[in-house]
Amino acid sequence: NAGVTQTPKFQVLKTGQSMTLQCAQDMNHEYMSWYRQDPGMGLRLIHYSVGAGITDQGEVPNGYNVSRSTTEDFPLRLLSAAPSQTSVYFCASSYRGRSEKLFFGSGTQLSVL
Amino acid sequence: QQQVKQSPQSLIVQKGGISIINCAYENTAFDYFPWYQQFPGKGPALLIAIRPDVSEKKEGRFTISFNKSAKQFSLHIMDSQPGDSATYFCAASSAGNQFYFGTGTSLTVIP
Repeated sequence: NAGVTQTPKFQVLKTGQSMTLQCAQDMNHEYMSWYRQDPGMGLRLIHYSVGAGITDQGEVPNGYNVSRSTTEDFPLRLLSAAPSQTSVYFCASSYRGRSEKLFFGSGTQLSVL
Repeated sequence: QQQVKQSPQSLIVQKGGISIINCAYENTAFDYFPWYQQFPGKGPALLIAIRPDVSEKKEGRFTISFNKSAKQFSLHIMDSQPGDSATYFCAASSAGNQFYFGTGTSLTVIP
C-alpha cells in the first residue's frame, strides 16, 4: 500500500516556466488537497477537492491550477512560475475530508530562479 | 491573518521532561483540532486529535488539553525522548473542508 505518492521530489524552474506536480493516492480517498510549507508560515492550503470533478480554492490559490479527473490523481499546475512560489509542496488526502485524518505525501521541494 | 496561532516557535527540553506547545484560535466554527508531527524530509503525520466536546485526550505520552471558553488547546509530551525531536503543527478545521495549520514548533529533546 503506497499511500500518497508525490513526484518529483525536487525541481528547479526558471521564472516563467510551467510545470505540474503529481499526486496520486491508492486509498480510495474522496478528499485530496495541496499545501505549501514555508519557514515561519506553517502549512497553507492551496486547492482541495472533495471528489472527481470537484475542486475549490484554499488560502493561497493564486498562480496555481488543479483538476481532478479521477479519484486517485490530483495534479497541481504552475502556469508561469515565480520566485515567490519557491517552497515545499505537500499533497494530502483523507477518506471524506473535514474532521478526518490527513495522509501526507513526502513532499516536492521546488526552487524557482 | 493566521487562523491558528502557535507558540513557542522553538522548544528545547531535557530528556524525561515535559514539552508543552500551545495554540489559540478565533473561529468558533472549528470542530476538529489535530496535532501533526513532522520529521526532516518527511510529510507531516497525525499524532493526536480532539473534538470540542471533550476537554482532554490522552494517547500514550501525548495529551491534548482543550479549553473551549478560552479558545485554546495545547499538546503535552510527557517523559520527552530524543526521538520526539521534530516539528509539531497544530491545526483546526470546520465544515468548509479547509484545514488551518499553525506556524509550527521545532522541538529538540536533549539526551
